[in-house]
Amino acid sequence: GAVVSQHPSRVICKSGTSVKIECRSLDFQATTMFWYRQFPKKSLMLMATSNEGSKATYEQGVEKDKFLINHASLTLSTLTVTSAHPEDSSFYICSAPRAGTTEAFFGQGTRLTVV
Amino acid sequence: LAKTTQPISMDSYEGQEVNITCSHNNIATNDYITWYQQFPSQGPRFIIQGYKTKVTNEVASLFIPADRKSSTLSLPRVSLSDTAVYYCLVTLPSGGYNKLIFGAGTRLAVHP
Repeated sequence: GAVVSQHPSRVICKSGTSVKIECRSLDFQATTMFWYRQFPKKSLMLMATSNEGSKATYEQGVEKDKFLINHASLTLSTLTVTSAHPEDSSFYICSAPRAGTTEAFFGQGTRLTVV
Repeated sequence: LAKTTQPISMDSYEGQEVNITCSHNNIATNDYITWYQQFPSQGPRFIIQGYKTKVTNEVASLFIPADRKSSTLSLPRVSLSDTAVYYCLVTLPSGGYNKLIFGAGTRLAVHP
């Protein structure tokens, strides 16, 4: 079964509003999580590294005030898209490593549509 | 991490073996080669990882020549459900603890 769960899987919001996406590690602790976005027919683009108990590290070109990341516990990281605009519409995916394995476990993704 | 190059798309038919080759000319000594599979509207899923020679699991085989500048993912007897995008990545040994840089991937279409 899934070891990383994202919620919601789909969300539609109005321009100007904020949307929060949750990423949970199930049955294991994740001090680090990663957030990606993916446009249709394109590859995953890393947005930021979420670190439990400290500030997130953003990739170049990603606005930290636009995409707020909070990793308040060892099993939960949240991505908040603030003042969303239609160009923020995308597929957002999180991943987390699990101790004892070398692979990354990905959530099922969140489809955000801003209207 | 080394950049990877793989075919943009491939077509196959049910029951055939599919081989997807990935080029990673600048792979470093400590790097591993990892493949992920992604279905539409889902997050990627780990398929296989290797360092050299051949690795096989219940899903696929990974062939890595001695110079490690390329690798080939082999999917035996594909079915329609193998239609997906396959990503080749060069990763550090700690794998998921490091950020992953995805290339364009190979879009595999399996036909009846």
